[in-house]
Amino acid sequence: AQTVTQSQPEMSVQEAETVTLSCTYDTSENNYYLFWYKQPPSRQMILVIRQEAYKQQNATENRFSVNFQKAAKSFSLKISDSQLGDTAMYFCAFMRNRDDKIIFGKGTRLHILP
Amino acid sequence: DAGITQSPRHKVTETGTPVTLRCHQTENHRYMYWYRQDPGHGLRLIHYSYGVKDTDKGEVSDGYSVSRSKTEDFLLTLESATSSQTSVYFCAIRVTRRTEAFFGQGTRLTVV
Repeated sequence: AQTVTQSQPEMSVQEAETVTLSCTYDTSENNYYLFWYKQPPSRQMILVIRQEAYKQQNATENRFSVNFQKAAKSFSLKISDSQLGDTAMYFCAFMRNRDDKIIFGKGTRLHILP
Repeated sequence: DAGITQSPRHKVTETGTPVTLRCHQTENHRYMYWYRQDPGHGLRLIHYSYGVKDTDKGEVSDGYSVSRSKTEDFLLTLESATSSQTSVYFCAIRVTRRTEAFFGQGTRLTVV
């Protein structure tokens, strides 16, 4: 069975700093999909970024980028120039294929301090 | 916005009563999911559906059942609510031919 592990329950950084959230996963599949979701205090779940395992290039969305290390089964999220609005719970997620379920980690609560 | 509506948004119910939560989508996407969110546990999958009358269990399906008699509605039923089922419940859909999921706004259920 696939598992997703986020080892940092909570983090705090100063505004404008760069922060990296860790995620590891376990699978025997070769092709799969990985995601980072953000949940601000409003409780709405928002997709931040996604990565397809067969693509070697790391995904980037504005200030958000990932470091995808397939051999190590690691999928970390880097937030550059952090802003107060980045304060949220962040979830790493895994999907084996397009017909499968999506499995989430337990989340990392990120606080951006003014 | 994938047109997802969860109802009710808040509910308080008594132990032992049945409860049904509804997830409605407006765009006829194939995949729908029910998750529960609890502190320290993240989002855990309860049940999911990959088409009308096609459903499967997730990791925390005990005490829950689902039905999907039409594409746009995915119902989650707590057959006999217990205090351990107090949680925030999220419905999600996955857009056909795409990989990302879109979530409803959640239902806060309290079992007293």
